[in-house]
Amino acid sequence: AQRVTQPEKLLSVFKGAPVELKCNYSYSGSPELFWYVQYSRQRLQLLLRHISRESIKGFTADLNKGETSFHLKKPFAQEEDSAMYYCALSLTDTGRRALTFGSGTRLQVQP
Amino acid sequence: DAGVTQSPTHLIKTRGQQVTLRCSPKSGHDTVSWYQQALGQGPQFIFQYYEEEERQRGNFPDRFSGHQFPNYSSELNVNALLLGDSALYLCASSLGQPQHFGDGTRLSIL
Repeated sequence: AQRVTQPEKLLSVFKGAPVELKCNYSYSGSPELFWYVQYSRQRLQLLLRHISRESIKGFTADLNKGETSFHLKKPFAQEEDSAMYYCALSLTDTGRRALTFGSGTRLQVQP
Repeated sequence: DAGVTQSPTHLIKTRGQQVTLRCSPKSGHDTVSWYQQALGQGPQFIFQYYEEEERQRGNFPDRFSGHQFPNYSSELNVNALLLGDSALYLCASSLGQPQHFGDGTRLSIL
């Protein structure tokens, strides 16, 4: 079965430092990858998806099929980036659209 | 558009009881998915409804059942509640991808 692994439960950085949230997946086909974010007291919301190749709030993520990774990166962290981040995949190539989530990484950006 | 709305926001039940959670999808969406999120974990897929039928199901027992109505709204029913069913239950709606989430229903089992 497919699996998403986020190895860090907590990532703490200082404002202005680069950020990389790691996400690895296990699936032999062509999954669709997403990053969802949950700010304090807000609902889970989509941050970005690999097929759109957009940069949202300065964040980018590249799908590396060779390493089966989809790491989230930002060159300069801001305090408002502090939140819970979840990596997720769906098997859209098979018609199965359910999301499989990782356990999440809490990002703390200190002033 | 209020987006995905769920009710109730909180619920307390005792073991063995039954519960029904409700979800109204975002306007224009035709697919509803339900997830269970235990404390400190990512959401776990329960099932997905499309055209009033269960299209996909995760690894949850038959005690978990659902329904989708003609207006695309959905219910999640859980029978014979166990202490381990205590969690945040999230509803997500979509028209294809991506999925949009509600605020969830916090279910506590005593």
